[in-house]
Amino acid sequence: NAGVTQTPKFQVLKTGQSMTLQCAQDMNHNSMYWYRQDPGMGLRLIYYSASEGTTDKGEVPNGYNVSRLNKREFSLRLESAAPSQTSVYFCASSGGTGLPYEQYFGPGTRLTVT
Amino acid sequence: AQSVTQPDIHITVSEGASLELRCNYSYGATPYLFWYVQSPGQGLQLLLKYFSGDTLVQGIKGFEAEFKRSQSSFNLRKPSVHWSDAAEYFCAVGQGAQKLVFGQGTRLTINP
Repeated sequence: NAGVTQTPKFQVLKTGQSMTLQCAQDMNHNSMYWYRQDPGMGLRLIYYSASEGTTDKGEVPNGYNVSRLNKREFSLRLESAAPSQTSVYFCASSGGTGLPYEQYFGPGTRLTVT
Repeated sequence: AQSVTQPDIHITVSEGASLELRCNYSYGATPYLFWYVQSPGQGLQLLLKYFSGDTLVQGIKGFEAEFKRSQSSFNLRKPSVHWSDAAEYFCAVGQGAQKLVFGQGTRLTINP
């Protein structure tokens, strides 16, 4: 099992450009999440999907959109990137036979917006 | 809303010394509690978790944590740290519909 995979690992964008971060999990989990990590801020939830076909805003959704393409895949889109979106982005998943709330994380995408 | 506080932003200990990382949470009912570790440039790995039962839980890599309801704490401990334990550690509490709320993290440095 690969667990949670994310692409790309690194990305540099210019202000105003768009991009989509991809996430996939092979653990048959129902729930998936996107976080951003900034120094001294811990992890903050951007969007989550409790089950296939549903998405909800988290703590910091502004400037982002998501798509739960199917049970395995959950993508995060930046329509018009801003320097404030420079961060490390993590995807996570949970559900199945694991403890409620127990989340498994991908390796992250380091995004720089200039 | 639930919240998690990790009072120590950065801790330095000597290799072989004992370690305790603090975590305090606010939650009305019995919480689901977690500790995650993040090595430099890596994702988060689950160290241990608490749901119910025995308040002292054992995790991977020789870590343990104790749930103390009276103090709203879930502190992480290790009797003897190794250089490879240098990382950032996050405490988290379950909230609402399958969400986690994370503390700000504690960065651990190990002196040789």
